[in-house]
Amino acid sequence: DTEVTQTPKHLVMGMTNKKSLKCEQHMGHRAMYWYKQKAKKPPELMFVYSYEKLSINESVPSRFSPECPNSSLLNLHLHALQPEDSALYLCASSQEEERPDEQYFGPGTRLTVT
Amino acid sequence: AQKVTQAQTEISVVEKEDVTLDCVYETRDTTYYLFWYKQPPSGELVFLIRRNSFDEQNEISGRYSWNFQKSTSSFNFTITASQVVDSAVYFCALSEALVLGNMLTFGGGTRLMVKP
Repeated sequence: DTEVTQTPKHLVMGMTNKKSLKCEQHMGHRAMYWYKQKAKKPPELMFVYSYEKLSINESVPSRFSPECPNSSLLNLHLHALQPEDSALYLCASSQEEERPDEQYFGPGTRLTVT
Repeated sequence: AQKVTQAQTEISVVEKEDVTLDCVYETRDTTYYLFWYKQPPSGELVFLIRRNSFDEQNEISGRYSWNFQKSTSSFNFTITASQVVDSAVYFCALSEALVLGNMLTFGGGTRLMVKP
């Protein structure tokens, strides 16, 4: 099973809402990632979790709060977002952070902030 | 600092044509890894290939082939006899061995449109 799943597929939220994005993988991968992708741009790394601990935060605003409850799950909690945060949010996983292995991506959550 | 350049932003071909997507990279590391990913309209990035800097052998996988040339810092991707299902955005990416987090530096992507 080389699948990374993400829910929801689409999300529309107001600037005062609180919502969460979910990501799950069952490949036994120990590294998980959140990316943000704007239209016609490459993905931009937001966070890296390694063995369930936050390893890298690419200077992401605090209105984005990641969480890794266990080795298979990765959440991204959203609060007080801005319209410019509208984007495709991609989750990925790889075997280990320390190895330059291929990353497996989920289908993404398309977020619209109104 | 590392950088990946995909000079072709959009390519349009007719089905069965061969097409080459260019990728040029910059890095100061001697050990690094190059990747190609495909992003169809559905959104997820699909891994196609990984190459390390010590392996300059070209690779062929079905209709796909990759030409890695360290002398010109290029890692080009050719699709032979293109099909409509090949329509997608293709990203070339670089990972340096000494950088934590398995961080990928992506090129800007090339949108390939294959017309029937």
